[in-house]
Amino acid sequence: GDSVTQTEGQVALSEEDFLTIHCNYSASGYPALFWYVQYPGEGPQFLFRASRDKEKGSSRGFEATYDKGTTSFHLRKASVQESDSAVYYCALGNSAGNKLTFGIGTRVLVRP
Amino acid sequence: SVLLYQKPNRDICQSGTSLKIQCVADSQVVSMFWYQQFQEQSLMLMATANEGSEATYESGFTKDKFPISRPNLTFSTLTVNNARPGDSSIYFCSSRVSGTGYAEQFFGPGTRLTVL
Repeated sequence: GDSVTQTEGQVALSEEDFLTIHCNYSASGYPALFWYVQYPGEGPQFLFRASRDKEKGSSRGFEATYDKGTTSFHLRKASVQESDSAVYYCALGNSAGNKLTFGIGTRVLVRP
Repeated sequence: SVLLYQKPNRDICQSGTSLKIQCVADSQVVSMFWYQQFQEQSLMLMATANEGSEATYESGFTKDKFPISRPNLTFSTLTVNNARPGDSSIYFCSSRVSGTGYAEQFFGPGTRLTVL
């Protein structure tokens, strides 16, 4: 079945550091890929989506590029702020749009 | 986007009892989804609910244990029957605006359930 792998369970950074969270997927067909962010006590918030090879999604300074060749959708941000501390989820959406499969999440802690 | 509200935001119940979680959208939506999230873990899709039809359940979740109603395009209810401590988790409803594929989902704030 479809699956998403996030290799980093937790990342600790200082403000203005560069952030990378790796996301790889396994799916049949051509899924859509998403990044969500979850703050404590809240539901996940949609960051952005990409649905075709080489498409770049971006929002709030975060970006990721859909790479079908390496089955990846790595999240990057050039300069993190303390307010970026949260859990980030990579997710895969099937073509019917009726199922999101989430990765395990990556907890990002940004020190001031 | 769509705003989703859940009630209650938290609940504590005794083993063997049943409880209902309500989800209300601020606009009409085609599909509503229910997710379960254990502490410090990822989200797992439980079921998909479309108006006027039976909910579709994912593997590991059953209608008898988690009946879901979807009486109209803005409302859904998840019931947890015969609650057990292993059901203690956060339950989220979500929805997507568009009826076509690849549309993003928007999530409610969650209902934190503790079963004693």
